[in-house]
Amino acid sequence: DAGITQSPRHKVTETGTPVTLRCHQTENHRYMYWYRQDPGHGLRLIHYSYGVKDTDKGEVSDGYSVSRSKTEDFLLTLESATSSQTSVYFCAISEEQGTKQYFGPGTRLTVT
Amino acid sequence: QKEVEQDPGPLSVPEGAIVSLNCTYSNSAFQYFMWYRQYSRKGPELLMYTYSSGNKEDGRFTAQVDKSSKYISLFIRDSQPSDSATYLCASQESGNTPLVFGKGTRLSVIA
Repeated sequence: DAGITQSPRHKVTETGTPVTLRCHQTENHRYMYWYRQDPGHGLRLIHYSYGVKDTDKGEVSDGYSVSRSKTEDFLLTLESATSSQTSVYFCAISEEQGTKQYFGPGTRLTVT
Repeated sequence: QKEVEQDPGPLSVPEGAIVSLNCTYSNSAFQYFMWYRQYSRKGPELLMYTYSSGNKEDGRFTAQVDKSSKYISLFIRDSQPSDSATYLCASQESGNTPLVFGKGTRLSVIA
């Protein structure tokens, strides 16, 4: 998985609770991305980062926030989890923006 | 209409068969085209990456892009049971735009 780890790998949480997912890379790549993958929708971009403290929204950013204080770490936060955010979340990295993205192993999140 | 369309399958073939996986896209500005392989409960793995039209070969895999018909193909020769996975196509306009993924085709190669 190209030097990418995600934690936790599985999480079950209740509606209304905050949740933070972590992506850690050892490749020193500048760009990092968060996607969600749902049946019938495929992979959709939530947020991405093009450097420390530099982030931007993707296609499905509502209800999510991100932070990147170090090159190697990209955090995804659900401020108040909802059942519609039950999904598999993937982090990806790339050396240059958009091209040749490499994915992490994923976090399976269930919101009850 | 989603910008990248992909038949979800499932597609089942015998071991040794040639597999053809296809996507169509609607955005004529797409220039970069990728294929990812995703095993069950794993992250997508980049298989092939091409720029503009043409063919690219890597071992048993060949990626083909026809921009005139907006058609993307992945061919797998001598398919193996280990090729059983979901294959995702993705396209991109430029390095400054997001990847747009198809929904994936599930392939089973039967021994």
